[in-house]
Amino acid sequence: GENVEQHPSTLSVQEGDSAVIKCTYSDSASNYFPWYKQELGKRPQLIIDIRSNVGEKKDQRIAVTLNKTAKHFSLHITETQPEDSAVYFCAAGRGSYIPTFGRGTSLIVHP
Amino acid sequence: DTAVSQTPKYLVTQMGNDKSIKCEQNLGHDTMYWYKQDSKKFLKIMFSYNNKELIINETVPNRFSPKSPDKAHLNLHINSLELGDSAVYFCASSQGVQGAYNEQYFGPGTRLTVT
Repeated sequence: GENVEQHPSTLSVQEGDSAVIKCTYSDSASNYFPWYKQELGKRPQLIIDIRSNVGEKKDQRIAVTLNKTAKHFSLHITETQPEDSAVYFCAAGRGSYIPTFGRGTSLIVHP
Repeated sequence: DTAVSQTPKYLVTQMGNDKSIKCEQNLGHDTMYWYKQDSKKFLKIMFSYNNKELIINETVPNRFSPKSPDKAHLNLHINSLELGDSAVYFCASSQGVQGAYNEQYFGPGTRLTVT
């Protein structure tokens, strides 16, 4: 089955800095890579996703890159703000298979 | 309108009891899921279900069983509760278009505490 590794487990940055979270996957057939943000005590919510037919996608301060050859994808957050503090999850999936989540990254943005 | 709802929000019970958590989605989605989130925040998939297929994570004990009375509901039944079952349980749904995997919408979660 699919195996998703996510790093780092904790990331601490100063407000205004950039943050990068990386994930690797094992199943070359995976074709959908979403990122979810979970604020403290809340539900996970999708913030950005990418499909395997593109290499990069951007939405304001967040961007995701995908390297299918190396089987890794990354989340980039620029100009971080305190409200970006949360746990971020990557995931990989395809078809009707059960999606596989990474173990999460706790991002802390210090004012 | 709430897209994915769960009840109850909190559930405190004793070891050995049987309990259920209800989930409803009003998005018209074809696929629903149950996740367990432990104290380390790891989101573990338990089940994936649509009107044609139930996919079970093989690591889930058979004390856990999903029950779907209709396409909009997927309830979770847990028998003989154990201390290790304490966690937050999230229901989710997604639109299954010809088996494609799409964005999941999560419910607010149910915090289960087993004493």
